[in-house]
Amino acid sequence: EVQLVESGGVVVQPGGSLRLSCAASGFTFDDYTMHWVRQAPGKGLEWVSLISWDGGSTYYADSVKGRFTISRDNSKNSLYLQMNSLRTEDTALYYCAKVGRGGEYFQHWGQGTLVTVSS
Amino acid sequence: SYVLTQPPSVSVAPGQTARITCGGNNIGSKSVHWYQQKPGQAPVLVVYDDSDRPSGIPERFSGSNSGNTATLTISRVEAGDEADYYCQVWDSSSDPVVFGGGTKLTVL
Repeated sequence: EVQLVESGGVVVQPGGSLRLSCAASGFTFDDYTMHWVRQAPGKGLEWVSLISWDGGSTYYADSVKGRFTISRDNSKNSLYLQMNSLRTEDTALYYCAKVGRGGEYFQHWGQGTLVTVSS
Repeated sequence: SYVLTQPPSVSVAPGQTARITCGGNNIGSKSVHWYQQKPGQAPVLVVYDDSDRPSGIPERFSGSNSGNTATLTISRVEAGDEADYYCQVWDSSSDPVVFGGGTKLTVL
C-alpha cells in the first residue's frame, strides 16, 4: 500500500524558514516524479513544485520561485521542501503527491502538514 | 499561464445526474484529470486521462473532453458524493500543473 506521510508544519513568523518532509513507502520511490501541492484554508488546490525521479529536474510555481527549494533523498525514500522568506500567503496545508503511471496526474496524496505564517 | 474555469457550485437531487464542467482554451487537446475532496480529507483521483477510472472508483463517475470544455459526470448521485471536485491538466507553458478553482457539489 502506498503511503505518503508529511511532517514539519508549524507556526512560523513572516520572513522565517521551514523544512517540510514527506516519507514515502509502498512503492519504488526513485521510479517516480514527486510533487508538493498546497491548499490555503477554505481555498482550492495550488501546485507548488515538482522534482524528477533522480532530482535532476525541478520546477516551481511563480508564487514560490526563488524562495522554496524541492529536493529528495532516494536512499531514504524521502521528499523535502525547504521554505524560506515565508509570507502570510504561504499559510496552507501542504500535500506531498505521487504521480500515476502517465506522469501527469496525482494518483496518491499524503494527508498534509499545516504551515501557518503569522506574527 | 493556462486557466481552468469551473462553476463554484452544482446542486443535484439524489439519484439524478450531476455534470461538472471545466473550461479552458482548447482543453480538448489536453488530458484532463479530476479529483474529489471531502471535508478534512486529502483529494482522491476519480478520473484520469479524460475518461479513465482508477481502480475502486465506481462506474457512476465518468469523464469527457472536447473543444473548450471537459466534463465530469456523476450518475445516480448519492449523498456520499457531496464534495469539492477539481479538474487538473498538465501545461507545457508556465506552471506545468494547473488546477481549476473547484466545484462544490451539493446533494439536495
